[in-house]
Formats: sequence, structure tokens, C-alpha cells
Amino acid sequence: AQTVTQSQPEMSVQEAETVTLSCTYDTSENNYYLFWYKQPPSRQMILVIRQEAYKQQNATENRFSVNFQKAAKSFSLKISDSQLGDTAMYFCAFMKPLGGTASKLTFGTGTRLQVTL
Amino acid sequence: DAGITQSPRYKITETGRQVTLMCHQTWSHSYMFWYRQDLGHGLRLIYYSAAADITDKGEVPDGYVVSRSKTENFPLTLESATRSQTSVYFCASKWAGENTGELFFGEGSRLTVL
Repeated sequence: AQTVTQSQPEMSVQEAETVTLSCTYDTSENNYYLFWYKQPPSRQMILVIRQEAYKQQNATENRFSVNFQKAAKSFSLKISDSQLGDTAMYFCAFMKPLGGTASKLTFGTGTRLQVTL
Repeated sequence: DAGITQSPRYKITETGRQVTLMCHQTWSHSYMFWYRQDLGHGLRLIYYSAAADITDKGEVPDGYVVSRSKTENFPLTLESATRSQTSVYFCASKWAGENTGELFFGEGSRLTVL
């Protein structure tokens, strides 16, 4: 079974600064997907960014980027120019390729990020 | 409006009572999921369904029952609620052929068992 570990329960960053959230995972699969989801106080789950394991290039979405280290099974999220609206719980998630019973996400325990003035 | 909706959003019940959380999606997504969110555990999969009449257990299925008679609905029933089932429950859905793997989540249902 796959496991996802987020070792930082809480983090804080000042507005406009950069912060990196850590995620490691354990799998024997060679092909899979990784995700970062954001959950603001509204409780809504919002997809931030995704990475396909077969792609070497790190994914980027505006101020959000990842550092994907496949050999190390590491998938960190970097938030640049942090904004107050980035305050949320962030979840790292793992998914095996589509097909049959494999199409389900495994989540980490989350990192609560607080952006301060 | 298209989307995925959960009801009720908030529910308080007593130990031993039966509770059903409803989930409805308008996208005709094949896959539907139920997760529970608890502090220190993140989101854990309870049950999922690949299509109508096809369901399977997730990581924490004990004490829960699901059904999927129609593609758009995926109710979750707690047959005899326990305090340990106090949690926030999320329903999610996804296309079968969606290669991005993105799940679309409902807004969550907060259940308190007294």
C-alpha cells in the first residue's frame, strides 16, 4: 500500500516571502500521479498542482511549483510571493494510474500554512 | 448548476442512531468516493465506486455502508453511529477516462455524534 508523509504539521510565512512544504511517499509503482490540494477555511478542497511521475520536468502553476525527486520519493511544494489568501491546509496526495480499483487518492496528514503580514 | 453537492452540511446525532449522508453529482462521473477528514489523519478513504452497482472498501470502511443504484448518487450510511465517527465527510467524483486524476470534491458534511 502507498503511504504519503507530510512531516510539517504547521508552518508560517510572511506575506511576499517564499515557503516550501515537504512531502514524501512510499510506493513500488513506477508510474503514478502526485498532487497538492489546498483546503482554505471554507473547507473546499482545491487542486493546486499535479505531477506525472514519468515527466522529469517539475510542474508549475503561477506562483506554485514543485520539486519532484523520483528517486528520493519526494514531492515538495514551493509557494512564491505568498499571499494572505494562501492561508490554508495543504494536502499532498498520491494516485496510481487509472484503471480498475487503482483510481483513488491517498492523502498525507496535511500542513497548516499561515501567511502573516 | 452542475457540480457535486452533499447534504446535510451539518448533522448532530446520538450514539446508536442511523445516519445517511447524501452525495449527488451532475457530471455523470463514473467514479465516486467518500473520505473522512480528522485532525492528524488527513483524508482517509471510506468507500468508493467505479460505476453504478460497483462499490469497494477503502482504508476505513468499518461501520459504514454505501450503495450506488444510480450513477449520480452515492449515499453513505452509518448504521449505528459511534462517537469515533464524529468527523467531516467529503464526497468526491471523477471521470473514468480522466488522465489528470483530479477529483472534484463536495463541500463536506460535518457530523457530530454525541
